[in-house]
Amino acid sequence: SQKIEQNSEALNIQEGKTATLTCNYTNYSPAYLQWYRQDPGRGPVFLLLIRENEKEKRKERLKVTFDTTLKQSLFHITASQPADSATYLCALSITGGGNKLTFGTGTQLKVEL
Amino acid sequence: SAVISQKPSRDICQRGTSLTIQCQVDSQVTMMFWYRQQPGQSLTLIATANQGSEATYESGFVIDKFPISRPNLTFSTLTVSNMSPEDSSIYLCSVDWTGSNEQFFGPGTRLTVL
Repeated sequence: SQKIEQNSEALNIQEGKTATLTCNYTNYSPAYLQWYRQDPGRGPVFLLLIRENEKEKRKERLKVTFDTTLKQSLFHITASQPADSATYLCALSITGGGNKLTFGTGTQLKVEL
Repeated sequence: SAVISQKPSRDICQRGTSLTIQCQVDSQVTMMFWYRQQPGQSLTLIATANQGSEATYESGFVIDKFPISRPNLTFSTLTVSNMSPEDSSIYLCSVDWTGSNEQFFGPGTRLTVL
């Protein structure tokens, strides 16, 4: 069966450190992968999209890698700040699936002073 | 980015009743989607709302339970019919208005069924 897995345990890190979140998938052939941020009581907010033929994408303090051989994406936040505390979701769109997204379970990040 | 609003923001309903959720976008969009997020869970796609035709439902979701309307390119409704406590969830609409595959989400409707 198809699965998208993210660390279910919350990730606690110290301010200024780099946070690394993992997204693993099985039985998918994704056309692209996206990362979203979700704050309590709010809808997800788009952060980054990376395509199947791309290895890495950066945006300010954010970096995403995509390894289709390992079937894994890593999401990095450098110089983390308490304001980065949120739940981060990865989402896949499969080839031929149009714009439909399948979301992972999300990882809660807490950045402490 | 598109500005998306949903009404109501939250509601508490009795078992067996129905609730219609509205999603309004400030610009015309081709693709609109409805998701459900059950407590402590991730988002699950319910259906794609198609303008001028019937919605396209995902496996496990049916039109009788979740009828959807899409009268124009800026508005859609999702009805949760004959509700049971298992329907207690946050319901979110989203749009892909740029064609870039980035989705923009509404704030969600928190539904509690007693």
